[in-house]
Amino acid sequence: EVQLVQSGAEVKKPGESLKISCQGSGYSFANYWISWVRQMPGKGLEWMGFIHPSDSDTTYSPSFQGQVTISADKSINTAYLQWSSLEASDTAMYYCVRLKAMGGSGAHWGQGTLVTVSS
Amino acid sequence: QSVLKQPPSVSGAPGQRVTISCTGSGSNIGAGYDVHWYQQLPGTAPKLIIYVNSNRPSGVPDRFSGSKSYTAASLAITGLQADDEADYYCQSYDESLRGSVFGTGTKVTVL
Repeated sequence: EVQLVQSGAEVKKPGESLKISCQGSGYSFANYWISWVRQMPGKGLEWMGFIHPSDSDTTYSPSFQGQVTISADKSINTAYLQWSSLEASDTAMYYCVRLKAMGGSGAHWGQGTLVTVSS
Repeated sequence: QSVLKQPPSVSGAPGQRVTISCTGSGSNIGAGYDVHWYQQLPGTAPKLIIYVNSNRPSGVPDRFSGSKSYTAASLAITGLQADDEADYYCQSYDESLRGSVFGTGTKVTVL
């Protein structure tokens, strides 16, 4: 069974750094793109970027380029999303999604990681 | 800014048919890229209900159907049921952005 398991909820202060994770199981992790999606409270889905774990080929949405870093460690079947300096506006639910291709559909989603940034 | 536009809300009585439009442009749907649809129930992760324009994953009722034409796509729900109340999003690929794009989302209400 394909599963994506994300790290737990985080509460951080503005200016702090953070790295959240998404671990895949039940499939060949290196062979599928992992996409990160943001959902701010009460708002819609926003594509942030994706990575191919086989070679860490990464593409960012222009809206998120320079704001976050997406990485992966195929040896432990895990993708990451990180911030160097959080802002209150980063408060959101973050999902990882498995894609067969960059324009492909996402049949498998992580359960989501809620990030709350507040002073 | 979502580049795929959807109506904010649609509603219908139980048993009725509702449709949700997803309007794109020549750099995404109009360029021939596939459209996928997701259902998001409150407090849960989105669930894929239509892939590659009109295909249903195993387990998705045939009350859900999708179509695509030129720069737009649509999702139809027939025989509307109370548990269809959810937010629905379309998704495609945009070659100008070199990445995925989601629709603005539509809330379906069962009257």
